[in-house]
Amino acid sequence: EVQLVESGGASVQRGGSLRLSCAASGFTFNTYRMSWVRQAPGKGLEWVSSISSSSATIYYRDSVKGRFTSSRDNDKNSLYLEMSSLRDDDTAVYYCARVPLNYVGSESYYLMDFWGPGTLVTVSP
Amino acid sequence: DIQMTQSPSSLSASIGDRVTITCRASQIIGRSLNWYQHKAGKAPKVLIYGGSTLQSGVPLRFSGSGSGTDFTLTISDLQPEDFATYYCQQTYSPSSITFGQGTRLQIK
Repeated sequence: EVQLVESGGASVQRGGSLRLSCAASGFTFNTYRMSWVRQAPGKGLEWVSSISSSSATIYYRDSVKGRFTSSRDNDKNSLYLEMSSLRDDDTAVYYCARVPLNYVGSESYYLMDFWGPGTLVTVSP
Repeated sequence: DIQMTQSPSSLSASIGDRVTITCRASQIIGRSLNWYQHKAGKAPKVLIYGGSTLQSGVPLRFSGSGSGTDFTLTISDLQPEDFATYYCQQTYSPSSITFGQGTRLQIK
């Protein structure tokens, strides 16, 4: 059974730092792209970052570039999100998600097929 | 970034109804469009990928259509467990994935 479990969420002061972790099990972790997605209170889903299976390619949304760093340890089946210079608008539940590339005929599509339950990050003044 | 616009933002319907949610992309995205269901306090769940392919295990009452810039999610014969918030997502640009703002489906 595929399982993703985030941890590391906490209440932190504005300008502070935090490291989130996502423990994966039930699948061959080192063959999948992974992503972080967040949801601020009362808001919708917002993609944060994606990292390829080998860590060769890492993408970030503009608002976190230079402040957040995604990484993974394939030996430990774990995904990480290092967050620094935290701002009030970083307050959110952070989810990790598995990102397979599925084929329909000759076309391929990324999707997020398994998600963790999320971990809450609260940035206070 | 590719902007995704969903409509309506909220919707009230009854058990057994058929509802349709639309999603428009700000530029052509082929069929790189996914639909998710999200219930409060739970992990989002993928329903449809590639615009119209039903994810394994998802009931047949869910269907998706569209390509280019305009997409729809249709739920036939609404069931109590379908009341949730629905999001479209484009992965045409994997370096800048974007979601629609969400459609909240409520019981009438």
